[in-house]
Amino acid sequence: NAGVTQTPKFRVLKTGQSMTLLCAQDMNHEYMYWYRQDPGMGLRLIHYSVGEGTTAKGEVPDGYNVSRLKKQNFLLGLESAAPSQTSVYFCASSESRQTDTQYFGPGTRLTVL
Amino acid sequence: AQSVTQLGSHVSVSEGALVLLRCNYSSSVPPYLFWYVQYPNQGLQLLLKYTTGATLVKGINGFEAEFKKSETSFHLTKPSAHMSDAAEYFCAVSVVTNFGNEKLTFGTGTRLTIIP
Repeated sequence: NAGVTQTPKFRVLKTGQSMTLLCAQDMNHEYMYWYRQDPGMGLRLIHYSVGEGTTAKGEVPDGYNVSRLKKQNFLLGLESAAPSQTSVYFCASSESRQTDTQYFGPGTRLTVL
Repeated sequence: AQSVTQLGSHVSVSEGALVLLRCNYSSSVPPYLFWYVQYPNQGLQLLLKYTTGATLVKGINGFEAEFKKSETSFHLTKPSAHMSDAAEYFCAVSVVTNFGNEKLTFGTGTRLTIIP
């Protein structure tokens, strides 16, 4: 099992550009999450999904959109990147609820100039 | 709403010494408590978790944590630090409300440095 994978690993964008981050899991988990990690702020939940075709807002959803067309994939989109979105983004999945163990991907380091 | 506070953003201990990382939480309902570890340039992985039952929880790599309801704490300990323990550690609290809603909240993390 590969677990949770994320692509790309690194990306540099200019302000106003768009991009999509892809997360894939092979554990047949229902729940998937996108977090951002910033120094001194821990992990903050951006969006999450409780199953195929569902999405919900987390703590910091503004400026991001998500889609879960297939159970194993969870996409995070930035339509018009801003320097404030410079961060490390982590995808995670859990079996059936937020209180289950979450399994994390290796992260994507995004810089917006 | 629940919250979690990790005391000390940086902790340094000598190799072989006791590791103690502090975590306090606030919650109006019984919480689930977690410790995750993040090694450099990696994602987080679960060290241990408390849901119900025994308040002393043992995890991987010799770590353990004790849920103390009266002190609203869930401190992480390891009797003897190893160089490979150098990492960032995150405490997290999750609650399930009467309506079935769940929310997991992470602390801001503690970076553990091991001194040879």
